[in-house]
Amino acid sequence: ETGVTQSPTHLIKTRGQQVTLRCSSQSGHNTVSWYQQALGQGPQFIFQYYREEENGRGNFPPRFSGLQFPNYSSELNVNALELDDSALYLCASSSEGSGETQYFGPGTRLLVL
Amino acid sequence: EDQVTQSPEALRLQEGESSSLNCSYTVSGLRGLFWYRQDPGKGPEFLFTLYSAGEEKEKERLKATLTKKESFLHITAPKPEDSATYLCAVPAYNFNKFYFGSGTKLNVKP
Repeated sequence: ETGVTQSPTHLIKTRGQQVTLRCSSQSGHNTVSWYQQALGQGPQFIFQYYREEENGRGNFPPRFSGLQFPNYSSELNVNALELDDSALYLCASSSEGSGETQYFGPGTRLLVL
Repeated sequence: EDQVTQSPEALRLQEGESSSLNCSYTVSGLRGLFWYRQDPGKGPEFLFTLYSAGEEKEKERLKATLTKKESFLHITAPKPEDSATYLCAVPAYNFNKFYFGSGTKLNVKP
């Protein structure tokens, strides 16, 4: 069974640029959630995708957007990057069959200069 | 707004010194409470799910318990390899959103 994978592992961008992060969900999982984790803080929920539709959203501006593909992999896009967007971005997959337990990937560390 | 609060923020223990971490929540209609372990720079690793008050689950030196307002993660005779940040999370009623606490950073000294 393949776990959740994310790419890239690290990324450096400058303010105002756009970034795309990618996530492959665990085998058999149809739901993907994205989180932002600042240093020393808990993960903050960005949004969730279920069967290619946005299913829930946290308190993040519209410049944070996403996609889910038919194979349940997902992308997180962030436009007009700001310095405060520097964080660890986590992807988690889940399904009704796993009791809705979320299994996390290793994360992508984004640094905005 | 639903909230999850964890305490203490940080905990330093000697190897073998047992203690407990607290996670309190205000979400209504609890659908489950999840505990995770996170090592520095890595994604959270799933530990337990508790669904109803009175439920307990154990894994090695860890035992999680749940009441109607809070959960405890008891660590018995910890070892240095138990050092990590422990996170708890609760879902919204339909599982379309999850609320995480800020975590307890545990440091176990040999």
